[in-house]
Formats: sequence, C-alpha cells, structure tokens
Amino acid sequence: DSGVTQTPKHLITATGQRVTLRCSPRSGDLSVYWYQQSLDQGLQFLIQYYNGEERAKGNILERFSAQQFPDLHSELNLSSLELGDSALYFCASSIGTGDRYGYTFGSGTRLTVV
Amino acid sequence: SQQGEEDPQALSIQEGENATMNCSYKTSINNLQWYRQNSGRGLVHLILIRSNEREKHSGRLRVTLDTSKKSSSLLITASRAADTASYFCATARTGFQKLVFGTGTRLLVSP
Repeated sequence: DSGVTQTPKHLITATGQRVTLRCSPRSGDLSVYWYQQSLDQGLQFLIQYYNGEERAKGNILERFSAQQFPDLHSELNLSSLELGDSALYFCASSIGTGDRYGYTFGSGTRLTVV
Repeated sequence: SQQGEEDPQALSIQEGENATMNCSYKTSINNLQWYRQNSGRGLVHLILIRSNEREKHSGRLRVTLDTSKKSSSLLITASRAADTASYFCATARTGFQKLVFGTGTRLLVSP
C-alpha cells in the first residue's frame, strides 16, 4: 500500500457518459498529480494541484476537469466519454509543489469505455 | 509529448545477470528519477539523481547521469525474477513543476 488511494479500481462505462475518479493523497502530501497511461501514448501528465490550487496543466482535454478539495483529496471528472479515453488513470502525490521529490503513485483506475 | 526515451524498449536476461537501461532526454533538468511499474499497477519511485550529481547507488541499483549528453543509465545488479517490470525515467525540467515520463523499458528476468 503506497498510501495513495484511488477509487474505483475498475470502471466500465458507455460512450457519451460521465465518470468521476477519486484520489486521496498520502498523508502529509499537498500536491496531487493526474496521469493517463495508454498503450499508444504512454504516461501523459494531465494536471497538478497543490493545496487546493491548480499549479500545472498538461495535455488535458476540455472534456476533462479536476479539482482538489480542502481535505486534499482530488477528483478527476471525465465527460462525453469516447472509446479513446479508455486507459489507466493514475493519481500521484508529493510533499511539495515542485519536482524535487519523488512521487507516490496510487494503483490506478482502469477505465474502459464501450 | 515524451521528454525521455528509454533504450532498449525491451530487455530479456537470466537471473543473476546485470540489466542496464538507458534514458535520453531533451532539455535542461533539475533532476532525473527512475520508477518501476509491475504489470498494470502503479509506479514505484526507485531513485532520484540531481543535476549536479553524476552517480548514485541504492541497494542493487546504480544510476548515472551525464548532463552534457543528456542521458542517464540505470543498472540493476544480480537481477532477480521479481525485478521483472517496466522501468521509466522521468525528468523534472528546469522551471517546470511536473515530471515527464519516458516510454519505458520492459525488463524480463527469467529464473
């Protein structure tokens, strides 16, 4: 157990639907990062939050949004889902805002869009 | 886009042998990190080497960094079947907060 909790572990949904992925960071970590991993695109950075504020944005589609709540857990919302959104979605956390520390990853949410 | 490229893409060795993986990147960095991912699971942080360091050890792992060549290598000595996994380098680009991951090396260690 890495200390980063992601739910659900698996999600199967239909095209056009909306889902919410949840992440609880490791205790004491203020930064949360979301990554998407697919076979053809590798591990792609989506977005980072630090203590409730958005700090960095990557290749995140407009159909996707995220937020970090006062208790530091984060949610990634994916809407108008397409087949190509099928992937592993990882949340990671770190102590600070930057990249000076290693990330702790959750076990991921496997999203399948049918 | 990927910042790092690992080489080789796949590596197959016998238990007890050493495994060497290489990573090349494109821009100036603050540090470079290596992660391991067992099939379909989360990534595990292995080691971090700062841009002013040239070599770092952790157990059976040895990492080198050559900033002039923009490259790094990860050496796993006396490999075990349990080392079978994908290994990723990740770079922390100067002035940016996020880690960018490479494409990974799939390591298979046979008993």
